[in-house]
Amino acid sequence: GESVGLHLPTLSVQEGDNSIINCAYSNSASDYFIWYKQESGKGPQFIIDIRSNMDKRQGQRVTVLLNKTVKHLSLQIAATQPGDSAVYFCAGPNYGGSQGNLIFGKGTKLSVKP
Amino acid sequence: SAVISQKPSRDICQRGTSLTIQCQVDSQVTMMFWYRQQPGQSLTLIATANQGSEATYESGFVIDKFPISRPNLTFSTLTVSNMSPEDSSIYLCSGGQLNTEAFFGQGTRLTVV
Repeated sequence: GESVGLHLPTLSVQEGDNSIINCAYSNSASDYFIWYKQESGKGPQFIIDIRSNMDKRQGQRVTVLLNKTVKHLSLQIAATQPGDSAVYFCAGPNYGGSQGNLIFGKGTKLSVKP
Repeated sequence: SAVISQKPSRDICQRGTSLTIQCQVDSQVTMMFWYRQQPGQSLTLIATANQGSEATYESGFVIDKFPISRPNLTFSTLTVSNMSPEDSSIYLCSGGQLNTEAFFGQGTRLTVV
């Protein structure tokens, strides 16, 4: 089965610095990964996704890197802002394929210091 | 992207009672799911809501405790039956198309006393 986990439960960064949140997965057949941001009292919000035929994907201030060799992905946030403070989850397909339902990592709480 | 609305947003219920949570999507989606998120923890999939047929439950979740309906492609309900304090949690509905990201409602915060 798939498992998705995060290396660090908390991350504290200075405003303006870059943030890197890491995630590992176990099923090499997984072909799709998503990063979600969850603010307090809200549901998870889609940030960015990446498919296994890519190593890197960029969005607005965010970049996701996928290393299939070591089954690791990361979310990089450039110039972190106080509004980025939230819990970040990586998620992947539950059964090793893109069947629609997701398994979530444990989450990393990002705190941005002004 | 789909906009997902859940209600109620929160409730406090007596043990032994049942609560039905509604999930409405603003467009037709292929997939709808129900998750549980206990305080300070990650999301755990309860079941896949199948349109016009019985839901598909994950290990540890059963239909008698969490009956689910999905009468059409935009609406689903989750009932938490015979509640106990251990059922206190956030319940989240999500929806999306196959092989794309899933979108989430804001969640229903349930407290059982």
